[in-house]
Amino acid sequence: DTEVTQTPKHLVMGMTNKKSLKCEQHMGHRAMYWYKQKAKKPPELMFVYSYEKLSINESVPSRFSPECPNSSLLNLHLHALQPEDSALYLCASSPAPYNSYNEQFFGPGTRLTVL
Amino acid sequence: ELKVEQNPLFLSMQEGKNYTIYCNYSTTSDRLYWYRQDPGKSLESLFVLLSNGAVKQEGRLMASLDTKARLSTLHITAAVHDLSATYFCAVDIRGSQGNLIFGKGTKLSVKP
Repeated sequence: DTEVTQTPKHLVMGMTNKKSLKCEQHMGHRAMYWYKQKAKKPPELMFVYSYEKLSINESVPSRFSPECPNSSLLNLHLHALQPEDSALYLCASSPAPYNSYNEQFFGPGTRLTVL
Repeated sequence: ELKVEQNPLFLSMQEGKNYTIYCNYSTTSDRLYWYRQDPGKSLESLFVLLSNGAVKQEGRLMASLDTKARLSTLHITAAVHDLSATYFCAVDIRGSQGNLIFGKGTKLSVKP
């Protein structure tokens, strides 16, 4: 299995809802990432998990809460989002951030719309 | 602060023509990545360049890295419509725990 999967593909939620995004990889990678991408912009890093521990949090608002239950799974819990949080949320994984290189493999993304 | 600049940001080409996309970065790095993104889709890894003078080719695309000039190029040879997409370069710094800094992307449109 050489891919990163994400569910759901599309999500519409109200500002009072609680939802979760899920990401899975079975490549044995030990680093996993959440990115946010607005239209016509590059991806922006949100969180990095390295060996199931949160190693980078790029000053993301607390309404986004990441979780890494095991080395293959990464979740992003959403609560009380704002309309400006509408974006494509991309998950990625890489063998490990301290390797000689850090090629990241991206999932297909979740298109999130906050009403 | 590491900055990554791509140019051009928009590129309209005719099929069969050649062109080059440039990626400059502001601080020492020895790892540079090129990604492709189709509209509404995810990012596809194209090339990983790990050392000065590295050159990689895949089909009509060729990428190179000059770490002394802090410059990478993505050269397109005899463009075809299927190459239409947005191309991003990204840079990280060894030991940065995987923080990739992306350029703004170059939107390539290849017209018949």
